[in-house]
Amino acid sequence: QLQLQESGPGLVKPSETLSLTCTVSGGSISSSSYYWAWIRQPPGKGLEWIGNFHYSGSTYYNPSLKSRVTISVDTSKNQFSLELSSVTAADTAVYYCARRYGGSGRIDYWGQGTLVTVSS
Amino acid sequence: QSALTQPASVSGSPGQSITISCTGTTTDVGGYNYVSWFQQHPGKAPKLIIYDVSDRPSGVSNRFSGSKSGNTASLTISGLQAEDEADYYCNSYTSTYTWVFGGGTKLTVL
Repeated sequence: QLQLQESGPGLVKPSETLSLTCTVSGGSISSSSYYWAWIRQPPGKGLEWIGNFHYSGSTYYNPSLKSRVTISVDTSKNQFSLELSSVTAADTAVYYCARRYGGSGRIDYWGQGTLVTVSS
Repeated sequence: QSALTQPASVSGSPGQSITISCTGTTTDVGGYNYVSWFQQHPGKAPKLIIYDVSDRPSGVSNRFSGSKSGNTASLTISGLQAEDEADYYCNSYTSTYTWVFGGGTKLTVL
């Protein structure tokens, strides 16, 4: 059974960089069949797609966040990471990592989510 | 990219059917058959209930169905049950190789 688990600091100061890691177990992040994504949800609000990557190197970001976002992968640890720079209170959200089938909108596995608060 | 448009709330009585719409443009919903629907209960991660407009993952009740006409996708829940009360989100692929969510719809079972 595939499992995804987000980890990282729960509190980040304004103007600093938010860094999260998603550890994948029960499946390989190097599979050509899947894309791996980050999605967030501000408290009480809707879902926002941040970006996703394929192990081949294809990476796509939400245009509204593109200048501040980097998604990277560590295949040796079966992990992928999110970095969001110059954060403000508007970046406070539950951050989810997820898996999507290539060639489909099927986002079938999600992590439990981790709350990141931006505050001094 | 703009969020897809969903009604903020819908409601129905047990046993009834309800439909939630998701309106986009020709560069997302109307241009691709990659519309998904997610159910989210409070404090939980979203759960996939429909993908690629009308396909249902194994284990999801056949009371959930999806369709699309032009730039609008729809999720229909038949035989409404108390456990269906949740937030529902649509999601679509876009012409810029990105994905966009709808604003979400709160379903209340009366």
